Amino acid sequence: GQNIDQPTEMTATEGAIVQINCTYQTSGFNGLFWYQQHAGEAPTFLSYNVLDGLEEKGRFSSFLSRSKGYSYLLLKELQMKDSASYLCAVRDSNYQLIWGAGTKLIIKP
Amino acid sequence: GAVVSQHPSRVICKSGTSVKIECRSLDFQATTMFWYRQFPKQSLMLMATSNEGSKATYEQGVEKDKFLINHASLTLSTLTVTSAHPEDSSFYICSARHLQGAGNQPQHFGDGTRLSIL
Repeated sequence: GQNIDQPTEMTATEGAIVQINCTYQTSGFNGLFWYQQHAGEAPTFLSYNVLDGLEEKGRFSSFLSRSKGYSYLLLKELQMKDSASYLCAVRDSNYQLIWGAGTKLIIKP
Repeated sequence: GAVVSQHPSRVICKSGTSVKIECRSLDFQATTMFWYRQFPKQSLMLMATSNEGSKATYEQGVEKDKFLINHASLTLSTLTVTSAHPEDSSFYICSARHLQGAGNQPQHFGDGTRLSIL
């Protein structure tokens, strides 16, 4: 079966750095996406990785290792507004998005 | 950037009512739109994949006669919850993928519809 694992919840301090991991087992791979979802709102696109390595976008970076079925989202200089759920999703061989359950990130002052 | 408009944002109605939710891609053409449901503190659950001009593909356990999907054009898909009951109360979210949907094109989400059935 297809499976995406990410921690249920993480806590970090304002101004710090946090890394949210995602491991996946899917039938085929056509890219990995990270989305941010604030409570009561729809997800918003953060990043896309299809090749191994690190993609940096401002305070957010995303890393992919296809051989290990592993990705992480790195958030730097954390702000209170970064408190949200972070969803990892993999596009499989049929171009369907397989979603992880999301990681709820709590930022403390 | 790509924008998906979903309407209405909130619906409160009596049990037995049918509710229609619209999803529009405003500045791009979407051959494929997706309908999700999300219960409180749970992950997104894909209900169905809607393809323009053809019947929707429903996920296992989703009643196609209850959740009617119409994707009449490249910019509009509708979800109708027929004879809604309190257990259908949820957050319904649509998303759309660019016509040229391969590669790095993400799904873009509407703002969601919060449905409350009394």
